[in-house]
Amino acid sequence: SQTIHQWPATLVQPVGSPLSLECTVEGTSNPNLYWYRQAAGRGLQLLFYSVGIGQISSEVPQNLSASRPQDRQFILSSKKLLLSDSGFYLCAWSVGGHEQFFGPGTRLTVL
Amino acid sequence: GEDVEQSLFLSVREGDSSVINCTYTDSSSTYLYWYKQEPGAGLQLLTYIFSNMDMKQDQRLTVLLNKKDKHLSLRIADTQTGDSAIYFCAERRANNLFFGTGTRLTVIP
Repeated sequence: SQTIHQWPATLVQPVGSPLSLECTVEGTSNPNLYWYRQAAGRGLQLLFYSVGIGQISSEVPQNLSASRPQDRQFILSSKKLLLSDSGFYLCAWSVGGHEQFFGPGTRLTVL
Repeated sequence: GEDVEQSLFLSVREGDSSVINCTYTDSSSTYLYWYKQEPGAGLQLLTYIFSNMDMKQDQRLTVLLNKKDKHLSLRIADTQTGDSAIYFCAERRANNLFFGTGTRLTVIP
């Protein structure tokens, strides 16, 4: 069966510090991978998606970036965090672009 | 508009039916989804409906789709306290999913 992991589960970082969130998927090959952000009181915003190693599409301009160094690994990064980067970050995978399956999420607080 | 819209809050009494509504944006969307998010957790796919269907029933869940009005609803029969969560509708556009703001369902014992 397929599983998706995210870590860390929670993170508190000062403004201006770097960020690295990791997502890994097990039990499937060549998945589509997604990063979403859920800000307080708001819906999910698609940040990045990837259809293969090294292939990243960005949906919104921002100070975040994503990388996919391996087939089942998706990383969300920032060189300098802003207060507005606080939120709940969710990674998801799909095969064929139909149903998406979500990880447990990382709650990021930027102070 | 370009956003998938939902009411933010809904409260129902335990045992009653809940109806969560959603208005989506693209009449050519092929699939429409309902996800459930429990506190502090990721999203769990509840059900989905293909755009050529009007209704889909799965145990206590009934999904109704009105393509003319681009309106989607989720009915939960015999709502239980364990149904308290945030419910997101989503539409599939250009191979990606676009989510609504979520409706926070509170079930009153």
